[in-house]
Amino acid sequence: ETGVTQTPRHLVMGMTNKKSLKCEQHLGHNAMYWYKQSAKKPLELMFVYNFKEQTENNSVPSRFSPECPNSSHLFLHLHTLQPEDSALYLCASSQDGAQPQHFGDGTRLSIL
Amino acid sequence: AQSVTQPDIHITVSEGASLELRCNYSYGATPYLFWYVQSPGQGLQLLLKYFSGDTLVQGIKGFEAEFKRSQSSFNLRKPSVHWSDAAEYFCAVGAGSGAGSYQLTFGKGTKLSVIP
Repeated sequence: ETGVTQTPRHLVMGMTNKKSLKCEQHLGHNAMYWYKQSAKKPLELMFVYNFKEQTENNSVPSRFSPECPNSSHLFLHLHTLQPEDSALYLCASSQDGAQPQHFGDGTRLSIL
Repeated sequence: AQSVTQPDIHITVSEGASLELRCNYSYGATPYLFWYVQSPGQGLQLLLKYFSGDTLVQGIKGFEAEFKRSQSSFNLRKPSVHWSDAAEYFCAVGAGSGAGSYQLTFGKGTKLSVIP
């Protein structure tokens, strides 16, 4: 039990589909993050939310749309994805300030 | 901007042997440094962290790391490796974003294989 739960664990979708990834943290943290992990590349930070406000958007294409309704939940809405978007998407959370980030087990996304 | 280099993509050691995984970073100020481990099909688990103070930090599962400012390094060590340590290891440097959270920059990872 990592304290950060991601659903679904696996997702296969066509390029025209719309789906959402969900992340929930049970740690009382104030900051939440989305990362993309592709083969042979470093983890890429996508979005950062702090106290429900988006504080970072690292030049992510608009086909990825994050949503943070409260400090415990984070969503990543997906639409019109490309094959190169196939990857492991990791959610993390941390207390505000320079505290370690705690990661979920990720959603393995495959785009057909 | 900060960066992290893990020069070894893949390391193989025998069970019971000692281990050292290398990490070099580039950052203009005092860094926050982390080591994470990732087992197949799972997320990242924090092994240890360095924020300040004693440059030798102890972590979980018998791991330790030493911060050497002069070498810009934060190498991970374990005196005796167990088969269950086979996984991928990531070094990361953290920098405050000025908005109450901070960003981690990760290395590409080192995959550890353990021979029985």
